[in-house]
Amino acid sequence: QKEVEQNSGPLSVPEGAIASLNCTYSDRGSQSFFWYRQYSGKSPELIMSIYSNGDKEDGRFTAQLNKASQYVSLLIRDSQPSDSATYLCAVNRPQGAQKLVFGQGTRLTINP
Amino acid sequence: ETGVTQSPTHLIKTRGQQVTLRCSSQSGHNTVSWYQQALGQGPQFIFQYYREEENGRGNFPPRFSGLQFPNYSSELNVNALELDDSALYLCASSPPAPGQGSGELFFGEGSRLTVL
Repeated sequence: QKEVEQNSGPLSVPEGAIASLNCTYSDRGSQSFFWYRQYSGKSPELIMSIYSNGDKEDGRFTAQLNKASQYVSLLIRDSQPSDSATYLCAVNRPQGAQKLVFGQGTRLTINP
Repeated sequence: ETGVTQSPTHLIKTRGQQVTLRCSSQSGHNTVSWYQQALGQGPQFIFQYYREEENGRGNFPPRFSGLQFPNYSSELNVNALELDDSALYLCASSPPAPGQGSGELFFGEGSRLTVL
């Protein structure tokens, strides 16, 4: 079992719709959770971090964390073509600060 | 504020050669981490440097080594290159953090290594 699992996609969503990206993790001691966006040929860019159960909203983005189910999700409202990218879920290993374990990423395409 | 910078951006080596990749951390950031990202995969943790000392290592062989300098810049060295070492090598810096730390990483644009 991989430490962090994501569907690789591709996930296609019409412009203006809600894109839903999901991630599960195996280590119950994980404490910090992140979503990075990576455009083709570019480096990952942090878009959301979440540390406690529940929802965290930032503009069109909402991160959701459920530690009991070991599940993290990212919702993108009013999807735009510029949101087309690979979204990486990352989890902080409990025994060390700032050593992230990444999922393989979900490729998202927003269709105009 | 200058972000994380890496050099070179692209390079081609042959099997058995050695390579050195360089990274300058973001201003105020004292921790540097290196990740390897193969095509179609997420980044994999290689190692981290804090105050010029290795502060954790992933599942990579000893031919992957590194350094951090007093100005917090860092180098990644890979000896005896293999074809599977072809990847995007990402450097990430992070600010001083209390306790376990926030875990937020700020990535450079990466060095794309091709091994022939």
